[in-house]
Amino acid sequence: ETGVTQTPRHLVMGMTNKKSLKCEQHLGHNAMYWYKQSAKKPLELMFVYSLEERVENNSVPSRFSPECPNSSHLFLHLHTLQPEDSALYLCASSQDWDRVVETQYFGPGTRLLVL
Amino acid sequence: AQTVTQSQPEMSVQEAETVTLSCTYDTSESDYYLFWYKQPPSRQMILVIRQEAYKQQNATENRFSVNFQKAAKSFSLKISDSQLGDAAMYFCAYRSDRGSARQLTFGSGTQLTVLP
Repeated sequence: ETGVTQTPRHLVMGMTNKKSLKCEQHLGHNAMYWYKQSAKKPLELMFVYSLEERVENNSVPSRFSPECPNSSHLFLHLHTLQPEDSALYLCASSQDWDRVVETQYFGPGTRLLVL
Repeated sequence: AQTVTQSQPEMSVQEAETVTLSCTYDTSESDYYLFWYKQPPSRQMILVIRQEAYKQQNATENRFSVNFQKAAKSFSLKISDSQLGDAAMYFCAYRSDRGSARQLTFGSGTQLTVLP
């Protein structure tokens, strides 16, 4: 596979469940990102990892827990979510985090519904 | 804080015609980059075009071009000879190398419909 892949593509979970979203990039990039996309709102950056270290955490509630075991994989662990957390969660990668000109490559997203 | 505004939630264009999507931004920086991303119904967002603020020449990529007005803080996207495959959500985005602006700041998007 090429590019950025995400699994699962769709997820329905209850507020007491624990689930994880997975992202994998096949581009040899050093930086990976989690975004939240809600209807009618701009994309919100959640987390940034560069060389497996977290470099940005945009005041995201602790019920979202990222993990980056290596530069190709990124996880978002979910627990005790709220219905307002229902959204499309996008993963992206870029060659480096700190070069402004970098193009970010996005995955297809995971559509999350919290009941 | 930097903000990006797309004032047109929805636009439509006839196939083969030209359409312009608007974007304005607010920043105190002099050096930054602007981007247009396209998100088709399949949801995989892709970069359409980007512009460096210090370059006066407007960027062009095939049928896509921008009108960058730095003083007015305006960055519109023109799509010429529109095709059915251009139907998507289009996001304008901003990034500089200073502090929190190092992250991409997106507008709320414009949904483009292409009519056959």
